[in-house]
Order: sequence, then structure tokens, then C-alpha cells
Amino acid sequence: GENVEQHPSTLSVQEGDSAVIKCTYSDSASNYFPWYKQELGKRPQLIIDIRSNVGEKKDQRIAVTLNKTAKHFSLHITETQPEDSAVYFCAASLSGAGSYQLTFGKGTKLSVIP
Amino acid sequence: SAVISQKPSRDICQRGTSLTIQCQVDSQVTMMFWYRQQPGQSLTLIATANQGSEATYESGFVIDKFPISRPNLTFSTLTVSNMSPEDSSIYLCSASGRSYGYTFGSGTRLTVV
Repeated sequence: GENVEQHPSTLSVQEGDSAVIKCTYSDSASNYFPWYKQELGKRPQLIIDIRSNVGEKKDQRIAVTLNKTAKHFSLHITETQPEDSAVYFCAASLSGAGSYQLTFGKGTKLSVIP
Repeated sequence: SAVISQKPSRDICQRGTSLTIQCQVDSQVTMMFWYRQQPGQSLTLIATANQGSEATYESGFVIDKFPISRPNLTFSTLTVSNMSPEDSSIYLCSASGRSYGYTFGSGTRLTVV
């Protein structure tokens, strides 16, 4: 089955700096790659996702890049703010349309220092 | 994306008893997924619930311990049976609705004493 590796496990950045989290996946058939933000005691919230026919997607301060050949994808957060502090999970799936499960990375705890 | 209501939000249970967790989705979905999240850990898939057929369990999870019902396309339950302290965890359901992307229920924080 699919295996997703995520690095780093913890990341501290100064407010205003950029943060990058990287994931690799093992199943070349995976074609949907979401990122979730989970604040303490809350459910994971989808912040951005990308499908395999796209190399990059941006939403304000957040961007995701995908390299299908290398089987890795990354989350980029620019101009970080204290409210970005949370645990971020990457995931991979055969589809984002509901028929296949998500396989998650182990998570990255991001701390943004004011 | 789908909106999922999950209950109970938390419970404290005696060992040896069972707890049933319910998830209601605001739209019809083919699959619903049940995950477990240990404190400070990632999400681990327990099983996939497909309406009209038996759930599909991941390695390490069995039907006798985690029976699942899926009576229709908007509802599912997960039961944690014969609980022990090792079952203390957060349990989450997930689904993808009419638009792309998966959402999660608010989670059930289970403590077994």
C-alpha cells in the first residue's frame, strides 16, 4: 500500500519568514495530494490540495508543488503569522473524489515565533 | 466539501464496555472512512465503510473489535468493543461530498479507565 514520509517533524520559524514542509509518497498511482492543518483539540482542516495533472497551486500565502517523477510534494507558507502555528499533515490518495482512503504523513509541528 | 456531524465529542468509559460513535454527513457519499489518532500522532485508517456491504478493515483492526454499520449513504457508526485503556484515543470519521476533497468529523475523544 501507499506510504507517505513527511519532514521535518518539527519546524520553528520567525514571524514573517517562510516555512517549507516536504513529503514523499511510494505509490505512483496516487494522484491526489491534500494538506491539512490541525490545531490543538480540533479536527484536521483542508488548507490546500493538488491533483497530479498540476505542478503547482497557490492560495494567498500557501502554495503546494508536486513532482510526480520524483514522487514528492511540498507545502510552502510565506509571511508566516503566529496563527499559522499548528500541526500540518500531508496525505496521498488514488482520488480526491471520495472512493479511496487518504494515507497520511506523520505530521509537522510548526511554531511561528512572534 | 461535505459537512460531517460526529457524536459524542468525548466520553469516559469503563474497561470491558463498548461505545458507539455516530457520524452524519450532509450529503450522500459513497464511502466513509474511520480513523484513529493517538495523542501527538498522525491519523491511522481503521476501516472503510461502503453502504450495502461489509466494511473493509486495515491491518491490525478487526470487525469484532471495531464493528461498523453503514445503513444509508449519509450515516455510519463505529463501535469500540470490550474497551481497554489502550483504546483511549481520538476517533474521526471522514468523507468526500459533492465536491472534491475530504472533510472530517469533529472527533470523539475516548478515555478508557
